[in-house]
Amino acid sequence: ILNVEQSPQSLHVQEGDSTNFTCSFPSSNFYALHWYRWETAKSPEALFVMTLNGDEKKKGRISATLNTKEGYSYLYIKGSQPEDSATYLCALNTDKLIFGTGTRLQVFP
Amino acid sequence: DVKVTQSSRYLVKRTGEKVFLECVQDMDHENMFWYRQDPGLGLRLIYFSYDVKMKEKGDIPEGYSVSREKKERFSLILESASTNQTSMYLCASSWGTAGEQYFGPGTRLTVT
Repeated sequence: ILNVEQSPQSLHVQEGDSTNFTCSFPSSNFYALHWYRWETAKSPEALFVMTLNGDEKKKGRISATLNTKEGYSYLYIKGSQPEDSATYLCALNTDKLIFGTGTRLQVFP
Repeated sequence: DVKVTQSSRYLVKRTGEKVFLECVQDMDHENMFWYRQDPGLGLRLIYFSYDVKMKEKGDIPEGYSVSREKKERFSLILESASTNQTSMYLCASSWGTAGEQYFGPGTRLTVT
């Protein structure tokens, strides 16, 4: 079974701080790398689906990059807000999704 | 607006009981999935289904079975619930088996 690792496990930041976290995976054949945001008491929802080496995606203050050769993806949040508090999951897309354990982000006002 | 619903948000059952977790999607997706989420572990795939009456084991199928009689509905069955099945259960659906998945809100099951 492929192992998808995320770091850090948890993160506490002040409102306005920018932050980033990492998803690491073995460099091997896969279709895409997914990022999901999972807010407490809600359903996980897709943020990005990234397929190509060097891919960069952006949605508002959140962006992500993908390096397939070295096997990692970064998620950046610029100017964190309390509503960004959530668990951020990455998943490697092979013939099914293989999820990492997530990074739990808490943004304090 | 796409929607995946699960029959219960919270459920408490006793050891040995038969438990049904229901999931319904309204997006006409062919693929449906059941995961469980435990502290310190990622979402782990229990079973998935490509089509009506089709099912495939995921990474942790032991102690579970599934049923998909209609395209929109995918049920997870715990034949005889045990305490180690206390967990958060998430259902999801997608167009392709490896495409973006749409999740339900989860069912937190406690087995006492």
